[in-house]
Parts: sequence; C-alpha cells; structure tokens
Amino acid sequence: NAGVTQTPKFQVLKTGQSMTLQCAQDMNHEYMSWYRQDPGMGLRLIHYSVGAGITDQGEVPNGYNVSRSTTEDFPLRLLSAAPSQTSVYFCASSYARLAGGWAQYFGPGTRLLVL
Amino acid sequence: SQQGEEDPQALSIQEGENATMNCSYKTSINNLQWYRQNSGRGLVHLILIRSNEREKHSGRLRVTLDTSKKSSSLLITASRAADTASYFCATDGETSGSRLTFGEGTQLTVNP
Repeated sequence: NAGVTQTPKFQVLKTGQSMTLQCAQDMNHEYMSWYRQDPGMGLRLIHYSVGAGITDQGEVPNGYNVSRSTTEDFPLRLLSAAPSQTSVYFCASSYARLAGGWAQYFGPGTRLLVL
Repeated sequence: SQQGEEDPQALSIQEGENATMNCSYKTSINNLQWYRQNSGRGLVHLILIRSNEREKHSGRLRVTLDTSKKSSSLLITASRAADTASYFCATDGETSGSRLTFGEGTQLTVNP
C-alpha cells in the first residue's frame, strides 16, 4: 500500500490565486482530514470527512473548501490564497468510529508559500 | 484553542538517558494518542491509550494516563540519537468521534 499520498510537495502562490492540494489514500479508510501546521501552534484541523459525500468543518475552515466524492480522495481547495495561509498542510486518514480510537495515518505534507 | 499542551516544549538529553514528556488536556476524552514527527516529515502514530487504561507499553515506550488530573506522560527509555523528533499528544473527546485535537509538541533532541 502507498498509504496517504499528497501532491504537490511544495507550492508557491501569489495572493489571490487559487489551487487544490491533492490527497489520496489506498487503505479504504472512511475518515479523512486536513490539518495545517504552523510554528509553535501544533496541528489545527481544517476540514474532515467521515465518508464519501460527507464533510464538516474543523477548527480553522475559513478560506478552504473540501469535497469527498470517493472514499480514496479528499482534495483541499484554497479559494483565494492569502499570506496567512502560508503553512505546511497535512492530510490524514483512519477508520471512523463514533468513539474514535483509531490511529491516523499522515501524508508527507505540502509546504505552501503565499507571497 | 488547543486541547493538549505538552511540557516541556523542548528537551535535550544524552543517548542512553530516559526522556519524559507530559501532556495535559482540558475536556473528557475517549482516547489519547502520541505521535512522532521527524523534521520535514509527516506524523507517525506511536501508541494509543484508552480512557479506562492507566498505563501502556510498546517497546521502549511507556505511556501513562491520569484522567483525574487530565494528563498523560510518554517515557522513552534508553534513548537513541534516532529518537530525535517532535512528539505530539492528541485527544479525541467524548463527542468528537475520530476528530483529534493536537498539542503543540515537545521537541526532543538526543545527543550522541
């Protein structure tokens, strides 16, 4: 299994541009999520999904959209990039259960720089 | 706001010594997990402890959980230079399902 893959690895955008960060997993996990990691702030949840067709907002959803048309893919869209969105973005997946308790598998991350 | 807070923020030790990192959280949880992140990489799951467990072992890792104090500790015994990484605790609350809330992490440096 490839696990969780993310593309691109690194991206530079200008303010106002849009782009999509790709995330795919081949473990048949129901739960997928996007985090951003900023220095000194740990990981913050942006959006998550508990299955195809179901998405919900996390802690910092503003400026980002997601969709989940298949179990495997969970793209993150930046609608109009801002310098405050400069960060490292991680996608993660796991089995879903109401009481949690499953390890999350993380992708290698996408480093985004917004000028 | 972050659910978990790790302490210390940074820890530097010599190879062979034990490393202890602490995590405190605010609300009731179902489970607490510890993750490791090497520089420039994604997070890797280390160990999960459920709210009804007090201690768990995995190789050189020992995790304790005190739900009355809302705290957990991660002990790495006989540390190695390869253990150098950031370590994060993550909690899933009683109503959050699979959603995890991460702390800010402890940066561990093991000097050869």
